[in-house]
Parts: sequence; C-alpha cells; structure tokens
Amino acid sequence: KQEVTQIPAALSVPEGENLVLNCSFTDSAIYNLQWFRQDPGKGLTSLLLIQSSQREQTSGRLNASLDKSSGRSTLYIAASQPGDSATYLCAVVRETSGSRLTFGEGTQLTVNP
Amino acid sequence: DAGVIQSPRHEVTEMGQEVTLRCKPISGHDYLFWYRQTMMRGLELLIYFNNNVPIDDSGMPEDRFSAKMPNASFSTLKIQPSEPRDSAVYFCASRNRGAYNEQFFGPGTRLTVL
Repeated sequence: KQEVTQIPAALSVPEGENLVLNCSFTDSAIYNLQWFRQDPGKGLTSLLLIQSSQREQTSGRLNASLDKSSGRSTLYIAASQPGDSATYLCAVVRETSGSRLTFGEGTQLTVNP
Repeated sequence: DAGVIQSPRHEVTEMGQEVTLRCKPISGHDYLFWYRQTMMRGLELLIYFNNNVPIDDSGMPEDRFSAKMPNASFSTLKIQPSEPRDSAVYFCASRNRGAYNEQFFGPGTRLTVL
C-alpha cells in the first residue's frame, strides 16, 4: 500500500525566506506526483505536476523536484510572501492504481510579514 | 471555464436524513472523482468515473454511500441514512484523459450531520 508522508507538518517563516517542503512515498513505482495548495475553507489548487520520467518542474517562484528511486519530492518556494500562507499537499499516482491519487497529510505554511 | 462546480457549499442535516451532493465537472473532462477530507483521515478517494462509468469504488465506506454519473456533465454522491461520522468536506475533481492525470478540484461541500 502506498503511503505518503510530508515533513514538516507545520512551518512558520519570515517573509522573503526561501523554503523547502518535503514529501516522501513508500512505493517508488509511481506514474506521477502532484503538488497542491489548499487555502482555509477552500478547494485544492494544482501547483505542479511531475511525470515519473521528469526530475523537476518550475512555475514562477515554485520549483518541484522528484527523486523517484529514493521516494522523495521537494517543493522549493523562493522569496516567500504572506500570500503563500496555505496548506501544501503532495499526492502520487501509482503505476498500477489507474487514476487513484494518494495524498500526504500536508504542510501548513505561515509566512509572516 | 468555470472550473469544477459543486453544490451545495454547506449542508447541515440531522442523523438519519438523506444527503445528496452534486458536481459538474469541467467541460470536456472524461474522468470524475469524489474525495472526502477529514482531520483524522486526510483526503481519501471515494470513487471515480471514466466516461460516466464507475471504475474504482473501493473507497466508498459503506453501502449507505452511493454515487452516480448519469451524463458527462453531472454527478451525485448520496448518503442514506446519514450519520454524524459522515461529517467532512466532500470534494469533486475532474481531469482530461490526455492531461497526465492532473486533477482539478471543486470548492467542496462541507457536510455537518448532527
């Protein structure tokens, strides 16, 4: 059974700091990995999707990397802003699970002005 | 595009009542997913459809839960009878077959069963 773990569970940083969120998964036979953002009381917003054959994806100040063999992904946020405050979730699709996404529990990020 | 649309956004009901949640996927998307989010269990997939056909319903917790997709633009998740432990946020998501499984989520329905 695929398990996804995110560390840390919560993170508080001052504005402007660069930060890294971690995601690990137990079964390296994944099809892809997706990072989401969830604001309080809202749905999930897709940030980045990395195919199993890719090493990283970038969008603006966000960079996600994937090391499939070691079962790890990181989400790097550059020059953090108070508007980045949210919960960040990673989710993986196993090669044999069809379209089933397995989610981590998320990292709650607070960026202080 | 308006994105995935869910209704109602909030639902408060009493134990034993029937609850119906509704979802309209993004136009042209041929996969539709129902998820449940709770503090205890996080986000869990309940069921998903491809071309209106249920593919994987292994996450549906009990027979009290049922889901239908009568056409490509509408799906329902029904709970009958509802119980307090069903209280959660229910999300609907959709994706396009050619989009590497990138799923797009609706705003969710917050269900409270008293």
